[in-house]
Amino acid sequence: DAEITQSPRHKITETGRQVTLACHQTWNHNNMFWYRQDLGHGLRLIHYSYGVQDTNKGEVSDGYSVSRSNTEDLPLTLESAASSQTSVYFCASSGLAGVNEQFFGPGTRLTVL
Amino acid sequence: GQNIDQPTEMTATEGAIVQINCTYQTSGFNGLFWYQQHAGEAPTFLSYNVLDGLEEKGRFSSFLSRSKGYSYLLLKELQMKDSASYLCAVNMDSNYQLIWGAGTKLIIKP
Repeated sequence: DAEITQSPRHKITETGRQVTLACHQTWNHNNMFWYRQDLGHGLRLIHYSYGVQDTNKGEVSDGYSVSRSNTEDLPLTLESAASSQTSVYFCASSGLAGVNEQFFGPGTRLTVL
Repeated sequence: GQNIDQPTEMTATEGAIVQINCTYQTSGFNGLFWYQQHAGEAPTFLSYNVLDGLEEKGRFSSFLSRSKGYSYLLLKELQMKDSASYLCAVNMDSNYQLIWGAGTKLIIKP
């Protein structure tokens, strides 16, 4: 069965360190998205991609970067982790046809100390 | 700016019916999604409305009024497993991005 996976599921890091969160999907979806979810806020879009070599900034992109070298993967990098980036991160993907609902990975809980 | 409003929390009784409302003010509209999210888990897709009216899917139904910027999710015959957060999201145009509400936490009591 097709799926979307994220790793690691939990991560504790220190302020200033570079961190990369992995996202891998086997849906063969063109569209991939990274969100963060914090109490009191909806899902907030960090970066998104509509295909290989395409990346775009979302509403909360400062301090984050992504790259898309193949269809399956969209890793999210925190260049220099800050305590304000402590959050739960979700990766999602969607296709081009039909309803285009987004399918979500299980999430990564990141703590920056 | 874009805005989606949902009640923060609702409580209902097992076996009853509950309606979760969502109002939106966005610069465009190309469809509205409802997702369910259990605590500690990922959101999962429930329903999609792009035209006015009611979409029924088993115990869950979703309604849309584009002229009023309003949608609701109706859950019937509530079960304890329906305790979760329900997220409303709007697609403003054909670019596949969604704007999300903060979610409604639904508590089911026996």
